[in-house]
Amino acid sequence: ELKVEQNPLFLSMQEGKNYTIYCNYSTTSDRLYWYRQDPGKSLESLFVLLSNGAVKQEGRLMASLDTKARLSTLHITAAVHDLSATYFCAVGAAGTYKYIFGTGTRLKVLA
Amino acid sequence: EPEVTQTPSHQVTQMGQEVILRCVPISNHLYFYWYRQILGQKVEFLVSFYNNEISEKSEIFDDQFSVERPDGSNFTLKIRSTKLEDSAMYFCASSDGRGSNLEQFFGPGTRLTVL
Repeated sequence: ELKVEQNPLFLSMQEGKNYTIYCNYSTTSDRLYWYRQDPGKSLESLFVLLSNGAVKQEGRLMASLDTKARLSTLHITAAVHDLSATYFCAVGAAGTYKYIFGTGTRLKVLA
Repeated sequence: EPEVTQTPSHQVTQMGQEVILRCVPISNHLYFYWYRQILGQKVEFLVSFYNNEISEKSEIFDDQFSVERPDGSNFTLKIRSTKLEDSAMYFCASSDGRGSNLEQFFGPGTRLTVL
């Protein structure tokens, strides 16, 4: 059974600092998605990673996928307050269409 | 830009009552999904639907739940005899499903409160 873990669960960081969120999953998959969720809101798609070694960047966020290590990272560069949200990774379970979501990382960027 | 829509945005019901949550997926998508998120927790898969039948369901999706595509546009989740623990945000999603494009697009959610 596919399990997806994220760490850290909570992250409080100063503006201008860099940090990385990790997403580990337990079984083979080559589909990984990152989402942002603001309180009480829906899931906003950030990145779609579909192959080993995939790297995508948007603004201060960069995501990568290592399917051999079953690991994805979401790197935050020079954080700003507007990035405060909960970030989820979701893994496409092999042989099915469903997503298995990670536990989420609640990010708070302090001014 | 096409998007998934859900109604109502918030539903309050009494324990034991039946509720129907409604979704309009993106029009040319073939696969439809329901997920739920209990407050402060992760998003959990409930069910996927393709070609007018359930293609996969989780352990959460027991006999209390049912899904239906009553016409060419709507996709509904019915919860019979609601329990307190059914209180959650319910998200509908849809995906094209053709070729390798399996990305799911999520609706804004329906917050269900069971009293």
